[in-house]
Amino acid sequence: AQSVTQLDSQVPVFEEAPVELRCNYSSSVSVYLFWYVQYPNQGLQLLLKYLSGSTLVKGINGFEAEFNKSQTSFHLRKPSVHISDTAEYFCAVSGDTGRRALTFGSGTRLQVQP
Amino acid sequence: EAQVTQNPRYLITVTGKKLTVTCSQNMNHEYMSWYRQDPGLGLRQIYYSMNVEVTDKGDVPEGYKVSRKEKRNFPLILESPSPNQTSLYFCASRPGTGGGETQYFGPGTRLLVL
Repeated sequence: AQSVTQLDSQVPVFEEAPVELRCNYSSSVSVYLFWYVQYPNQGLQLLLKYLSGSTLVKGINGFEAEFNKSQTSFHLRKPSVHISDTAEYFCAVSGDTGRRALTFGSGTRLQVQP
Repeated sequence: EAQVTQNPRYLITVTGKKLTVTCSQNMNHEYMSWYRQDPGLGLRQIYYSMNVEVTDKGDVPEGYKVSRKEKRNFPLILESPSPNQTSLYFCASRPGTGGGETQYFGPGTRLLVL
């Protein structure tokens, strides 16, 4: 079985400040890790994913995430946020087999304030 | 344009009145899936389909049915909706069955069951 914990349900931050959204996972098998973003009234869009290789993954819109196997974490970071980054962010994990697809965390709402 | 479409986008119904939410993808994807999104719970998988005529239960299948008669379509059926099925529903697809593949999400269907 696999699970995902997003430690913060809401993260308020000022525009141009750095941000980190935390994600921890548990799994008994090798995993693939994803971050998705959901803008208001829209579906989910892939930000980035980790499959293998370099533990630092760069995604769209200036986001990056670091896979840490020993701490079972996959935290998402951005050095300087914009108002347009206001959205809900979901961390997700998938196992090798792919049958059951993604297990999602409960989401983190990023609120960027001017 | 490559996309996943869902209809309707918004639906209000009453307890017990059968309804169908349609989902269609134009990317020739083998794998399709339905999720429901509830506050504080993230997205939970309802059903998935590895290919035509192959469907299986996800984490929360009770009260739902699906079918996959054609590769592009994967409708979600609520035979007798109840208020606890009030939720935001997403259809998703991905190219194959590999765990590391990106899922593409539809825009969502917001359902209210009175």
